[in-house]
Amino acid sequence: AQSVTQPDIHITVSEGASLELRCNYSYGATPYLFWYVQSPGQGLQLLLKYFSGDTLVQGIKGFEAEFKRSQSSFNLRKPSVHWSDAAEYFCAVGADNAGNMLTFGGGTRLMVKP
Amino acid sequence: SQTIHQWPATLVQPVGSPLSLECTVEGTSNPNLYWYRQAAGRGLQLLFYSVGIGQISSEVPQNLSASRPQDRQFILSSKKLLLSDSGFYLCAWQQGNYGYTFGSGTRLTVV
Repeated sequence: AQSVTQPDIHITVSEGASLELRCNYSYGATPYLFWYVQSPGQGLQLLLKYFSGDTLVQGIKGFEAEFKRSQSSFNLRKPSVHWSDAAEYFCAVGADNAGNMLTFGGGTRLMVKP
Repeated sequence: SQTIHQWPATLVQPVGSPLSLECTVEGTSNPNLYWYRQAAGRGLQLLFYSVGIGQISSEVPQNLSASRPQDRQFILSSKKLLLSDSGFYLCAWQQGNYGYTFGSGTRLTVV
């Protein structure tokens, strides 16, 4: 069965600083990988996804993520964080080519200092 | 375009009362539908999923049930709420390999 680990429960960065949120997955075949963002009291919004091809994927709001098969990682990055990026971020892995059933990590709460 | 509607946005219910949360999807057909719960400060817990009308799979045995009476309607219910049912409930749909689209959630407080 697949699993996702987000090692950092909370991260605090200063506005304008760079950001990297870690995500490690366990899955036997080529994974389908996703990053979602959740603002307080809201649903989850898709930031970006990886299915195949270029291992560096671009998403909305200036985010990007890099798939590293050798490290079983799919870390999310942003070169310069804005105060509005404060939210909770979830990494997820898809089950198989049928695309059913995502498994989510426990989430990382990002706080941004002015 | 596809949209997902979830209501109500907030709900305060006494212990022992029934529950019905509704989720509907527009602009798509035969989607996979999901109910998740977030307890305070915790991640997403999958409660139920459905791949078609009348087809419900339960991931966690508990005080809740789900039904799918129509292709684009997914309902989460309880006959008698417990304090532990409090949380943030999210509905999501999936068509193909393109991840999930989430509703805006329902904040349930059981008092």
